[in-house]
Amino acid sequence: SAVISQKPSRDICQRGTSLTIQCQVDSQVTMMFWYRQQPGQSLTLIATANQGSEATYESGFVIDKFPISRPNLTFSTLTVSNMSPEDSSIYLCSARSFSGIANTGELFFGEGSRLTVL
Amino acid sequence: GQQVMQIPQYQHVQEGEDFTTYCNSSTTLSNIQWYKQRPGGHPVFLIQLVKSGEVKKQKRLTFQFGEAKKNSSLHITATQTTDVGTYFCAGSMKTSYDKVIFGPGTSLSVIP
Repeated sequence: SAVISQKPSRDICQRGTSLTIQCQVDSQVTMMFWYRQQPGQSLTLIATANQGSEATYESGFVIDKFPISRPNLTFSTLTVSNMSPEDSSIYLCSARSFSGIANTGELFFGEGSRLTVL
Repeated sequence: GQQVMQIPQYQHVQEGEDFTTYCNSSTTLSNIQWYKQRPGGHPVFLIQLVKSGEVKKQKRLTFQFGEAKKNSSLHITATQTTDVGTYFCAGSMKTSYDKVIFGPGTSLSVIP
């Protein structure tokens, strides 16, 4: 299993500012992802964080708005740039590992970062 | 792009009744996973299905993967108040080493 720590857990931000969310995994993992979840809604994949290279973004998400870093196998950051109220959401870091006997490839999630943009 | 659909959106049941949620993908899936999210919590992995027609059980929960690997279901027998939460199916298309796309989820309420 993997334990994922995310910070900040919540923040209130002003319109036009940027915020970086950090995600730390307690073990080396194969894949890391960033999701967004509006209250009462499903999880929308923002991007796959690739170690040492540019992230792979899903349709509707661009690097200029959501720059992502993953310098090693256990750490990633997501920046929400030039925030607007529409960016208010919960941002979830997720990791997927294929090691171990079970090898289910399950996703482990951090507790999430709840952003409110005023 | 890949889409995963899920019905119903909401389900209210009396404690002890059964519950089923259905998941459909617009494309053939490599595997499908199910997650449960309690109110205020993050999604927690329940199970992964890989083989066509696969059926797995976890106590009162039964998971099925369709023959065409495009649909799946989760059935809970004799619901309990601890079953309350949102159940998401999530699929990977190409291989296991792929992104995971979540369905919209089914929110289950259990009336004691």
